[in-house]
Amino acid sequence: AQTVTQSQPEMSVQEAETVTLSCTYDTSESDYYLFWYKQPPSRQMILVIRQEAYKQQNATENRFSVNFQKAAKSFSLKISDSQLGDAAMYFCAYRSPLSNTGNQFYFGTGTSLTVIP
Amino acid sequence: DTGVSQDPRHKITKRGQNVTFRCDPISEHNRLYWYRQTLGQGPEFLTYFQNEAQLEKSRLLSDRFSAERPKGSFSTLEIQRTEQGDSAMYLCASSPLMGYEQYFGPGTRLTVT
Repeated sequence: AQTVTQSQPEMSVQEAETVTLSCTYDTSESDYYLFWYKQPPSRQMILVIRQEAYKQQNATENRFSVNFQKAAKSFSLKISDSQLGDAAMYFCAYRSPLSNTGNQFYFGTGTSLTVIP
Repeated sequence: DTGVSQDPRHKITKRGQNVTFRCDPISEHNRLYWYRQTLGQGPEFLTYFQNEAQLEKSRLLSDRFSAERPKGSFSTLEIQRTEQGDSAMYLCASSPLMGYEQYFGPGTRLTVT
């Protein structure tokens, strides 16, 4: 089974600064998808960014970008110009290619991000 | 499109009682997932439906747990003879048939006393 590891239980960043959250994963598959989800205190998970493993270009969504290193099985999230609203739990997730089975996400244990005003 | 909804949002029950949760996915989403999230952990997969068919179940889903999606729309998750270890947040997610992202509901927080 695939495993996802987030080694930083807690991180903090000054407002307007940049922070990087780490994620590593273990898989024998060559094609897969990686995600970062944000879970604010209200607890509803929101998709932040997605990366397809076959794409070499790192995904970017406004202030959020990833550093995807396929050989190293690393998938870090960079948040630029941090805002108070970025404070949340961030989960890294892995999923296999679409099929009738094996569609579940495998989540890491999360990183709690605090933004300091 | 109102997103994935779950009911109730909170449930407190005594050990040994049965509880049932409901999930309404985004309309026209064929796939529906249930996850369990305990404090300090990421969500863990429980089961998955494609339309009304339950295609996959985790080993976490003991025989006290049952899930249904009778008409391929809403789904229910029932826990019989609840135990204190069942206390957790139960998350529902849905996705279109060819979609990669999963869209999560707000969850149902279960407390077993």
